[in-house]
Amino acid sequence: QKEVEQDPGPLSVPEGAIVSLNCTYSNSAFQYFMWYRQYSRKGPELLMYTYSSGNKEDGRFTAQVDKSSKYISLFIRDSQPSDSATYLCAMGSNYQLIWGAGTKLIIKP
Amino acid sequence: DAMVIQNPRYQVTQFGKPVTLSCSQTLNHNVMYWYQQKSSQAPKLLFHYYDKDFNNEADTPDNFQSRRPNTSFCFLDIRSPGLGDAAMYLCATSPGHGSYNEQFFGPGTRLTVL
Repeated sequence: QKEVEQDPGPLSVPEGAIVSLNCTYSNSAFQYFMWYRQYSRKGPELLMYTYSSGNKEDGRFTAQVDKSSKYISLFIRDSQPSDSATYLCAMGSNYQLIWGAGTKLIIKP
Repeated sequence: DAMVIQNPRYQVTQFGKPVTLSCSQTLNHNVMYWYQQKSSQAPKLLFHYYDKDFNNEADTPDNFQSRRPNTSFCFLDIRSPGLGDAAMYLCATSPGHGSYNEQFFGPGTRLTVL
């Protein structure tokens, strides 16, 4: 079993839809949870960062962490074609960061 | 703008012919990373430097080596590329060593092995 599991997609939704992206993990020691966005032919860039459990909101994006279920989510409201990208979750404790494989998201105009 | 630069963006090499990928940063970060990313797979950490301290991941093949001559530059050497080494190679930096630090990525070098 991988430490971090993420559905690779692709996930295709119409413009304006609410998108839910998810990762599960197995290591209960993880404390830092991140979502990176990677556009085609570019490097990943940090989108959201959450420490421990709870929600964090930034504009149209909301990150949720449920440590009891070892499950994290990224919600995108009012999705736009410019949100089309691969979204990678990453998490860790201390010095090691473990990456998910990324979910490819396609927003159809 | 402060950034992470990778050269070349695309590299084509022949099976077994050594290749060097380069990375430079203007962020003045202490930590630099090299990742290998294959299609639909998680980025795989190959090496990282905390300042001059070199850290080799346990499962990084011996075929891969790295150099960091100064704070700004880092190189990835692939001594004898095989077909399985075709991938995107990403360089990243962060201000500190902890996993809570944001990593700043370059655009990557796409390596093709013929």
